[in-house]
Amino acid sequence: GAGVSQSPRYKVAKRGQDVALRCDPISGHVSLFWYQQALGQGPEFLTYFQNEAQLDKSGLPSDRFFAERPEGSVSTLKIQRTQQEDSAVYLCASSSHGLSDTQYFGPGTRLTVL
Amino acid sequence: AQSVTQLGSHVSVSEGALVLLRCNYSSSVPPYLFWYVQYPNQGLQLLLKYTTGATLVKGINGFEAEFKKSETSFHLTKPSAHMSDAAEYFCAVTNAGNNRKLIWGLGTSLAVNP
Repeated sequence: GAGVSQSPRYKVAKRGQDVALRCDPISGHVSLFWYQQALGQGPEFLTYFQNEAQLDKSGLPSDRFFAERPEGSVSTLKIQRTQQEDSAVYLCASSSHGLSDTQYFGPGTRLTVL
Repeated sequence: AQSVTQLGSHVSVSEGALVLLRCNYSSSVPPYLFWYVQYPNQGLQLLLKYTTGATLVKGINGFEAEFKKSETSFHLTKPSAHMSDAAEYFCAVTNAGNNRKLIWGLGTSLAVNP
């Protein structure tokens, strides 16, 4: 597609529910990133994929967070047993493989945990 | 570790006035620096970036920024503000050895008054 797409755009979950957030990167982009943006804050890095390999997951806040990119294209961020503190906008970005290549962002998924 | 400080969480200017948004960074290695803009309910869009070479970088919508190593700064400017510039602006830093993950400032909300 023309840009990075994310679905759903909005998700409301009850505390304790599992959620899955999808990211479709720009076709051909090797690198894929997930960020978490709390209200009024800058984005915080969660995890990074190069093709299907998850090279950095140091930003995942707990073992309830899991990300995958099995075929090196679409990625899913899964949050198990959601908590209120998980409420945030989850941003996906993709880029080519160059060191200084621009990260292109999707519109984000706004997750609200009640 | 790298970090970014954006001075002023809210900046208000009159239409036609100079826009100056401040960004200071901390990095022990040569940084790559970025400014992104976020309009309400939209994804982050790259304004400009510095990687190597010329320290004065021009971006979209008439914005520019200058990398000053001695001051560890990368301030964003625009000579004449337009109403459509009202948005949230984020400064970010990364480097070649950082798996390309972006470290973000907290953002500056720009208001443009008629």
